[in-house]
Amino acid sequence: LAKTTQPISMDSYEGQEVNITCSHNNIATNDYITWYQQFPSQGPRFIIQGYKTKVTNEVASLFIPADRKSSTLSLPRVSLSDTAVYYCLVGRITGTASKLTFGTGTRLQVTL
Amino acid sequence: EPEVTQTPSHQVTQMGQEVILRCVPISNHLYFYWYRQILGQKVEFLVSFYNNEISEKSEIFDDQFSVERPDGSNFTLKIRSTKLEDSAMYFCASSEALGGSGGLNNEPFFGPGTRLTVL
Repeated sequence: LAKTTQPISMDSYEGQEVNITCSHNNIATNDYITWYQQFPSQGPRFIIQGYKTKVTNEVASLFIPADRKSSTLSLPRVSLSDTAVYYCLVGRITGTASKLTFGTGTRLQVTL
Repeated sequence: EPEVTQTPSHQVTQMGQEVILRCVPISNHLYFYWYRQILGQKVEFLVSFYNNEISEKSEIFDDQFSVERPDGSNFTLKIRSTKLEDSAMYFCASSEALGGSGGLNNEPFFGPGTRLTVL
């Protein structure tokens, strides 16, 4: 699976928009991009997923350029409760499994 | 909102002992997974399970590990003879379908985890 690279950490103030960019240069044609959030001592929680262009849900937006070598997770107006680790993952369906390979993630710290 | 549940939340065991970690996936989900996270490290894939058989496993998932769906609701991970390095948070996950097709339920939902401490 394609290796992902994302910032180790980011800081933001409450109410700001946060954009976390991830690179996945070796993404394959059938791979998709998915983002998860993890709070300390909890399981990862799905945020958003996409294949190309832009995807938006009630929580976030995901921007994927045409070459798909990177993606950007956009969190509008973050709050203190958005302080967490955010993982960019490249997913691949292998037979009868969706295998997710986690990287080290981006630790987002939101302050007042 | 449906959720994946795991028991126990914390398991302490002696090296060499067998442990069974239990999970109840979301009821209409068909694909089941175990991941683990050693303290301070990445979340690692262990195994996926579909239609009552393992569909993929990682190199971590050696002969000491096994999974089972003993009935229609539970999904278990057994470690036959625990080692110190098995100490980690173990996450069960399930999905209704395979990921990548854009639906929320296609991506694995993770449980809260079981913290395994091997002494």
